[in-house]
Amino acid sequence: DAGITQSPRHKVTETGTPVTLRCHQTENHRYMYWYRQDPGHGLRLIHYSYGVKDTDKGEVSDGYSVSRSKTEDFLLTLESATSSQTSVYFCAISTRYTDTQYFGPGTRLTVL
Amino acid sequence: KQEVTQIPAALSVPEGENLVLNCSFTDSAIYNLQWFRQDPGKGLTSLLLIQSSQREQTSGRLNASLDKSSGRSTLYIAASQPGDSATYLCAVNEEGRETSGSRLTFGEGTQLTVNP
Repeated sequence: DAGITQSPRHKVTETGTPVTLRCHQTENHRYMYWYRQDPGHGLRLIHYSYGVKDTDKGEVSDGYSVSRSKTEDFLLTLESATSSQTSVYFCAISTRYTDTQYFGPGTRLTVL
Repeated sequence: KQEVTQIPAALSVPEGENLVLNCSFTDSAIYNLQWFRQDPGKGLTSLLLIQSSQREQTSGRLNASLDKSSGRSTLYIAASQPGDSATYLCAVNEEGRETSGSRLTFGEGTQLTVNP
């Protein structure tokens, strides 16, 4: 257990509404990541952070934004949710860029 | 663009059997390769990490090998048990630097079932 929690764990929302997912870590890891997992696509990187206020885009960043105002929290925001954003979202952390990543339990998001 | 393929997509074996899971990647310029396990409805658990300069890593009944030049990795599981049933994912890291962390490209996984 790498001390990662995600909230909420499940969410159902409607198209067009804003949604924020939270990733919280207790281990003071520098790097944090957001992935989505979909059948037929595997896990794909959405955004990542390499320090407080330092973030960058991943492979599938369109429609998503992130913020990291303190080391322990990394927020993923869907400004206006669409049905194509229905997925399972995973947060991950790592201490150094050479290290393995540790994953949170995931958030299942359904956009109707 | 890096592509990671895992074969087979699903595998069913009797308990006690030794087995090999395969992972291939298209761009050999990788920094490291990781194997993960995912149980249904759960997050990923890291099993093994192999740096590009290494040939293999071992942890208990698990052994992972890496042939970077041919773009292949294998995960060997010895004396399989029903508790090994899960989906196994490999991921390659093409970028290891301070301003990106380890950005992984994942395969879709092999779903393993070990029957008692």
